[in-house]
Amino acid sequence: GENVEQHPSTLSVQEGDSAVIKCTYSDSASNYFPWYKQELGKRPQLIIDIRSNVGEKKDQRIAVTLNKTAKHFSLHITETQPEDSAVYFCAASISLGSGGGADGLTFGKGTHLIIQP
Amino acid sequence: DTGVSQDPRHKITKRGQNVTFRCDPISEHNRLYWYRQTLGQGPEFLTYFQNEAQLEKSRLLSDRFSAERPKGSFSTLEIQRTEQGDSAMYLCASSLGRRETQYFGPGTRLLVL
Repeated sequence: GENVEQHPSTLSVQEGDSAVIKCTYSDSASNYFPWYKQELGKRPQLIIDIRSNVGEKKDQRIAVTLNKTAKHFSLHITETQPEDSAVYFCAASISLGSGGGADGLTFGKGTHLIIQP
Repeated sequence: DTGVSQDPRHKITKRGQNVTFRCDPISEHNRLYWYRQTLGQGPEFLTYFQNEAQLEKSRLLSDRFSAERPKGSFSTLEIQRTEQGDSAMYLCASSLGRRETQYFGPGTRLLVL
């Protein structure tokens, strides 16, 4: 089955700096890669996702890149703010594409992002 | 609130007892997923439904775990003969079938004494 590795487990950056979290996956059939943010005691919330037919996707201060050959994808957060402090999870899944939806997600172990004021 | 809801939010039980959790997905979402999350870990996929059909159940942790979605709306997850190792957060998520985005509920936190 799929295995997702995530690094680092903890990341501390100064407010205003950039943060990068990296993940690798093992199953070449995986083609859907979401990122979730989870604040303490709260539910995971989707912040961005990417499909394997795209190499990069950006939404304001957040971007995700995907390297299918290397089975590697990364989350980039620029101009970090205190409210970015949380645990971030990457995940991988197989999507059947239009009309098919996605299977269950395999998550990484999470990165605790700390934004230092 | 039109998001995914779960009940109860907290459950304390004694070892050996059976427990049942309920998940109500977002209206019109035909896919429903169950995950387990232990402290310091990412959610672990257990099973999922499309309407009332359970499409994947090989990832359920043992035969003590079972899930149902009898009318294709809400779902229940039952754990029989609970063990201390079952203590965790049980999360439910739903999605609109043709789209991949899964929306999570607030979870049910289980403590087995």
